Amino acid sequence: AQKVTQAQTEISVVEKEDVTLDCVYETRDTTYYLFWYKQPPSGELVFLIRRNSFDEQNEISGRYSWNFQKSTSSFNFTITASQVVDSAVYFCALDHGSSNTGKLIFGQGTTLQVKP
Amino acid sequence: NAGVTQTPKFQVLKTGQSMTLQCAQDMNHEYMSWYRQDPGMGLRLIHYSVGAGITDQGEVPNGYNVSRSTTEDFPLRLLSAAPSQTSVYFCASSYSIVSGSSYNEQFFGPGTRLTVL
Repeated sequence: AQKVTQAQTEISVVEKEDVTLDCVYETRDTTYYLFWYKQPPSGELVFLIRRNSFDEQNEISGRYSWNFQKSTSSFNFTITASQVVDSAVYFCALDHGSSNTGKLIFGQGTTLQVKP
Repeated sequence: NAGVTQTPKFQVLKTGQSMTLQCAQDMNHEYMSWYRQDPGMGLRLIHYSVGAGITDQGEVPNGYNVSRSTTEDFPLRLLSAAPSQTSVYFCASSYSIVSGSSYNEQFFGPGTRLTVL
């Protein structure tokens, strides 16, 4: 069965702190894709990153970085020097790409509050 | 491009009423899908379509009906609304999910907030 777990329901930090959002996934497929989406208070879903199962390289994009570890089935997301604008709900999602159906399985989401 | 559009933005229904949530995209995407978002549960797939005339069920299809007569439109029908269908509904679209070694991201619409009394 496919499953995504985001154990942190809510995180609160003070601006400029670093914060890591955890994501653990379960799948039996060897080919799969992992995603992070951001949902700001306005409600839309914003795509942040995609990673496929064959690429374990970590990625950095500005203040954002992602750590993909197949050994622990984790795809964690770190925001460095957080800002108030980072306040949002963040979702991790999984697609077992071999199905070619685009069925995304989402985690429960982590609400991040960044206080000034 | 308008991207993925959804109408209405908000809707209140009474139990037993029917309605259609509209979703349209102008990017010539083959793939379209509907998700519902409930507190503490993330998003769950209701129905999806890999092309005009082809639809299939997702994780939570009961109480919903879809059809795909054109590439652009993918309406979601509630035949007899129930309070359990109170949720935020998102439509998404993309090119064929996998093209060679590429995976095409899904673009999400702005959502429809539905309340069933």
